[in-house]
Amino acid sequence: GENVEQHPSTLSVQEGDSAVIKCTYSDSASNYFPWYKQELGKRPQLIIDIRSNVGEKKDQRIAVTLNKTAKHFSLHITETQPEDSAVYFCAAIVGNTPLVFGKGTRLSVIA
Amino acid sequence: NAGVMQNPRHLVRRRGQEARLRCSPMKGHSHVYWYRQLPEEGLKFMVYLQKENIIDESGMPKERFSAEFPKEGPSILRIQQVVRGDSAAYFCASSPRSYNEQFFGPGTRLTVL
Repeated sequence: GENVEQHPSTLSVQEGDSAVIKCTYSDSASNYFPWYKQELGKRPQLIIDIRSNVGEKKDQRIAVTLNKTAKHFSLHITETQPEDSAVYFCAAIVGNTPLVFGKGTRLSVIA
Repeated sequence: NAGVMQNPRHLVRRRGQEARLRCSPMKGHSHVYWYRQLPEEGLKFMVYLQKENIIDESGMPKERFSAEFPKEGPSILRIQQVVRGDSAAYFCASSPRSYNEQFFGPGTRLTVL
């Protein structure tokens, strides 16, 4: 089955700097890659997603890139703010199979 | 448009009791998924349901756990004879189409004493 590895497990950045979180997946047939943000004690929130027919997608300060050849995708957050501090999860899906999540990255933005 | 609703938000049970967790999907969503999250860990898929049907239960333990999504009413995740290891946050998510674009509820935090 699909396996998703996420790095780093923790990340600290200064406010205003960029943050990058990377995920690799094992099944080349994976076709949908969402990213979720989870604040402490809250629900995971879908912040951006990308499908396998697209290489990059942006939404204001966040962007996701997908490299199908290397089987990895990354989340980029620019001009980080304290409210970006949370745990971020990547996930991948192959056709009609369940979402497989990475173990999460705890991002701390230091003011 | 109300989001995914779950209740109760917190549930305390003693070992051996039953836990019932409820999930109402977003309006217009007919696909429901249940996940379990242990502290400091990611989300683990348990079961995927559509109205009156279990589509995929590959992540759900064979014993003590069951799920349903009746024609009327919320989806129910039922845990019989709970043990301490069942303590976790249980999230449900819904989507308008199978598997994609899942939106999560606030979760039920189950504590087994």
